[in-house]
Amino acid sequence: EADIYQTPRYLVIGTGKKITLECSQTMGHDKMYWYQQDPGMELHLIHYSYGVNSTEKGDLSSESTVSRIRTEHFPLTLESARPSHTSQYLCASSENRERETQYFGPGTRLLVL
Amino acid sequence: DAKTTQPTSMDCAEGRAANLPCNHSTISGNEYVYWYRQIHSQGPQYIIHGLKNNETNEMASLIITEDRKSSTLILPHATLRDTAVYYCIVRVASLVKTSYDKVIFGPGTSLSVIP
Repeated sequence: EADIYQTPRYLVIGTGKKITLECSQTMGHDKMYWYQQDPGMELHLIHYSYGVNSTEKGDLSSESTVSRIRTEHFPLTLESARPSHTSQYLCASSENRERETQYFGPGTRLLVL
Repeated sequence: DAKTTQPTSMDCAEGRAANLPCNHSTISGNEYVYWYRQIHSQGPQYIIHGLKNNETNEMASLIITEDRKSSTLILPHATLRDTAVYYCIVRVASLVKTSYDKVIFGPGTSLSVIP
């Protein structure tokens, strides 16, 4: 069982608010990822990190930002939420070696009104 | 990374084996076949992966054809809790430490286990 956690699980918030989605893993994994998934649709990578103080954009453009100050923690921030940000956000992590498996958190469902 | 094709949906009777096919005809020699599943409203869950030999773990078996152009995930005794979307992915892990492992999730197969 993977030890990767996301909070909150559900969030309903008004337009213009600043939000931070938390992701933590206790496996000591170097690599962490954020995916975005709309209902019934495919997952798209929006951010990744290969270690502390590293962050990169993924395949799908996103207005969110991320930080990686500690190995176990990879929060995602939206400075000003909009209805177009409504989606499910999934965090994942993997070891930094060949053929490693990505382990996913339970996800955060965000609804921006 | 090679693309995969899977049936959109499948049904399976509870207690029977569920066989989920995946075609990956453009797979290259160093690409692994991975299977994940996603139960409604949850994050994807890793199931199994393999390169060219058949693999088995406590969740499932993976059968890869000799030419590696296709594979089948087998859930030996499907239960209602196996109802989920199953993703077949082929990927090669980046050997560059500062790069990410490009895992492309397609639409997958929606498996419904029927009582």
